[in-house]
Amino acid sequence: NAGVTQTPKFQVLKTGQSMTLQCAQDMNHEYMSWYRQDPGMGLRLIHYSVGAGITDQGEVPNGYNVSRSTTEDFPLRLLSAAPSQTSVYFCASSRGTGGGEKLFFGSGTQLSVL
Amino acid sequence: AQSVTQLDSHVSVSEGTPVLLRCNYSSSYSPSLFWYVQHPNKGLQLLLKYTSAATLVKGINGFEAEFKKSETSFHLTKPSAHMSDAAEYFCVVSDPGGSTLGRLYFGRGTQLTVWP
Repeated sequence: NAGVTQTPKFQVLKTGQSMTLQCAQDMNHEYMSWYRQDPGMGLRLIHYSVGAGITDQGEVPNGYNVSRSTTEDFPLRLLSAAPSQTSVYFCASSRGTGGGEKLFFGSGTQLSVL
Repeated sequence: AQSVTQLDSHVSVSEGTPVLLRCNYSSSYSPSLFWYVQHPNKGLQLLLKYTSAATLVKGINGFEAEFKKSETSFHLTKPSAHMSDAAEYFCVVSDPGGSTLGRLYFGRGTQLTVWP
């Protein structure tokens, strides 16, 4: 059972470039989400999805797009990368959407934007 | 509105001594509360969670936390620290209803250092 798989683990971009961070889970979880982690800031929610075809914004959505065409996949797109997007990104999923469920995290993507 | 305050950004203890990581929250509803641990260069792992059952919650690796509604606290403790406990710990509160159904709010983290 792979759990939550994120790719790539590391990425360096130049300002203005675009890229997609991939996230896949094999647990048939309804809820998937993307967080960014910055030193001293904890984790901040970027976007989340409560099921296929349904997405919504979190605390810090600007500069990021998401889609959820299948239950398994929840890619995060940076359309025009900026240095302020340098961060560690985590994808997470859970069985339900009621807030009391355990989150399963991927191992993270370390992104540097030059 | 929900928020989480971890009262210490860094805690240092000697191996074999007790650990106390402090967390206060604010919530308009009856919250679910969690502690997650992050070891270096790893994703987060659930230590324990409180969801309105027993106020003393036992987690993995000997950790436990007590929910105190009157103090709006959810402090994490362990009787005897081990070197492998060195990590960053996050207190998390969920929004059980309203327009942000299921959203989690993370504290800023407490870095635990364990000295031999």
